[in-house]
Amino acid sequence: EAGVAQSPRYKIIEKRQSVAFWCNPISGHATLYWYQQILGQGPKLLIQFQNNGVVDDSQLPKDRFSAERLKGVDSTLKIQPAKLEDSAVYLCASSYSNNEQFFGPGTRLTVL
Amino acid sequence: GENVEQHPSTLSVQEGDSAVIKCTYSDSASNYFPWYKQELGKRPQLIIDIRSNVGEKKDQRIAVTLNKTAKHFSLHITETQPEDSAVYFCAAESTGNMLTFGGGTRLMVKP
Repeated sequence: EAGVAQSPRYKIIEKRQSVAFWCNPISGHATLYWYQQILGQGPKLLIQFQNNGVVDDSQLPKDRFSAERLKGVDSTLKIQPAKLEDSAVYLCASSYSNNEQFFGPGTRLTVL
Repeated sequence: GENVEQHPSTLSVQEGDSAVIKCTYSDSASNYFPWYKQELGKRPQLIIDIRSNVGEKKDQRIAVTLNKTAKHFSLHITETQPEDSAVYFCAAESTGNMLTFGGGTRLMVKP
């Protein structure tokens, strides 16, 4: 079974620039999550999708972050404009129906 | 919302000793408690989980206990090995299948 795929793996941008991350979940997984993991901390949920609908985005900074999952499969997370404090690893995860979440390798973002 | 506290933040043990990591949570409605292991630069991977209708679960050298009344759960690793060295995260799932993670414990197993 193929795992959760993410790209790019690394990204370096200047502050105020824009960036987008892509996630392809495990086939058949209806639920998709985006997490932000700042160095030395646990992952923090940004947004959760069930198929192509948003279940929870209460911790997503909506003034600069956006996410979509138009066809209920792949998802993109965008930051515009980026701030220094957005430097983190962005993890995508997916789950079927038994609670276990499978994580992708993450995208390490550095904002200079 | 849910709040998960994890202790200790770092733990150093000698190979062969046991390691215990403890977590507390705030939302009494939480009913699923996974533990993830994250090696440096890699993705978090589930190592064991427990649901609220069970008090203890064991898988070889790893065990998890849950006390719903006190709202705390613990990870126990016996006969630790150098390859157990990693960061361990506990998490609690509240309504809507949403996980709240603890701050992590860096476990170092000295050979």
